[in-house]
Amino acid sequence: QKEVEQNSGPLSVPEGAIASLNCTYSDRGSQSFFWYRQYSGKSPELIMFIYSNGDKEDGRFTAQLNKASQYVSLLIRDSQPSDSATYLCAVIGDDKIIFGKGTRLHILP
Amino acid sequence: DAGITQSPRHKVTETGTPVTLRCHQTENHRYMYWYRQDPGHGLRLIHYSYGVKDTDKGEVSDGYSVSRSKTEDFLLTLESATSSQTSVYFCAISESHGQSDEAFFGQGTRLTVV
Repeated sequence: QKEVEQNSGPLSVPEGAIASLNCTYSDRGSQSFFWYRQYSGKSPELIMFIYSNGDKEDGRFTAQLNKASQYVSLLIRDSQPSDSATYLCAVIGDDKIIFGKGTRLHILP
Repeated sequence: DAGITQSPRHKVTETGTPVTLRCHQTENHRYMYWYRQDPGHGLRLIHYSYGVKDTDKGEVSDGYSVSRSKTEDFLLTLESATSSQTSVYFCAISESHGQSDEAFFGQGTRLTVV
């Protein structure tokens, strides 16, 4: 059974600080990795995807991938109260998309 | 927004009754998925489809069946609903499994089995 692991949190971060969210995966053959954000009572929505080792930046968000360590992370700079949500890591493996349990992020005003 | 619609949005049903949830897409995407989301468990894959009449099981498929007779529709059936199937169900679609092919989600269906 392929697995995607995330710390469930909650992770509390002061407004304006950097939030760091982590994810590990078990399938070494996984090719693509996604970060989704889900507000309470809403559907998940894509923030970023990454498939090459290293960093990928998009505005305040940076995704980091290390395939050797089977580790993917999401950094949120200048955290805002609107970033308070659950963040889901997802991996494509064996022709299906597998999600982690998600990390609840709480930005403290 | 991706054209994906789930129906019904809310349903209360009695234990032992059959229930069918519908997912309809207008994007002509190849892949369709059914997930359930429960506190502490995240999104768990029930079944998925990679084409018309092509489906496969996910990690929590027991008690569920699916059908896809047309590209645009993916049906999830609970043959005999149980209280453990009370959950929020999400349908998702993706064009393929390329490196940048994200999954788009429907609005979700809140199912309560009493």
